Amino acid sequence: NAGVMQNPRHLVRRRGQEARLRCSPMKGHSHVYWYRQLPEEGLKFMVYLQKENIIDESGMPKERFSAEFPKEGPSILRIQQVVRGDSAAYFCASSPSDRVGSPLHFGNGTRLTVT
Amino acid sequence: QKEVEQDPGPLSVPEGAIVSLNCTYSNSAFQYFMWYRQYSRKGPELLMYTYSSGNKEDGRFTAQVDKSSKYISLFIRDSQPSDSATYLCAIPNQAGTALIFGKGTTLSVSS
Repeated sequence: NAGVMQNPRHLVRRRGQEARLRCSPMKGHSHVYWYRQLPEEGLKFMVYLQKENIIDESGMPKERFSAEFPKEGPSILRIQQVVRGDSAAYFCASSPSDRVGSPLHFGNGTRLTVT
Repeated sequence: QKEVEQDPGPLSVPEGAIVSLNCTYSNSAFQYFMWYRQYSRKGPELLMYTYSSGNKEDGRFTAQVDKSSKYISLFIRDSQPSDSATYLCAIPNQAGTALIFGKGTTLSVSS
């Protein structure tokens, strides 16, 4: 019974390159969330998606960041033209329900380093 | 005022101690409160889930909610070195579309 799977675990990109982070939710979960974690800032919500729809992207930076959750395949968080400040751990979580307060199940994250 | 605030610590205790971790929140309409535990280099995992006020106990862990004070607590009895981790409180956001997390309290239990 696989949990939330994220890959790659570690990703190194040079400034200006693109970063693609993948997330496969738990089986039966159709709700995906992306969070970013920095040492001094804690875990920050970025975006909430259901299959083929973005439900809440209030935490996403307005530029360079995008997310999708297609009908088939994993959810993708895409960061274009990465900068040093994008270096962080990015966590994906999933849930089986959109009920308020529904617990989230997290993957082990992708650690992005921008050189 | 931030929606949820948590003292980041770090907190160091000897094995067997009782640990108290706390968060405050701003929106009195919140009904669901959660505690997550995160080990180093891992994703957060759900530890406790409570609804409304009162206490909930699960083994050595007790979650307590005081809605009048907007204060939530996690107590760990007979703490073990394996409890060494970062503990994050979490509440739903205003729109009910996601969880908002405290910054986390890092706990170290020494044997």
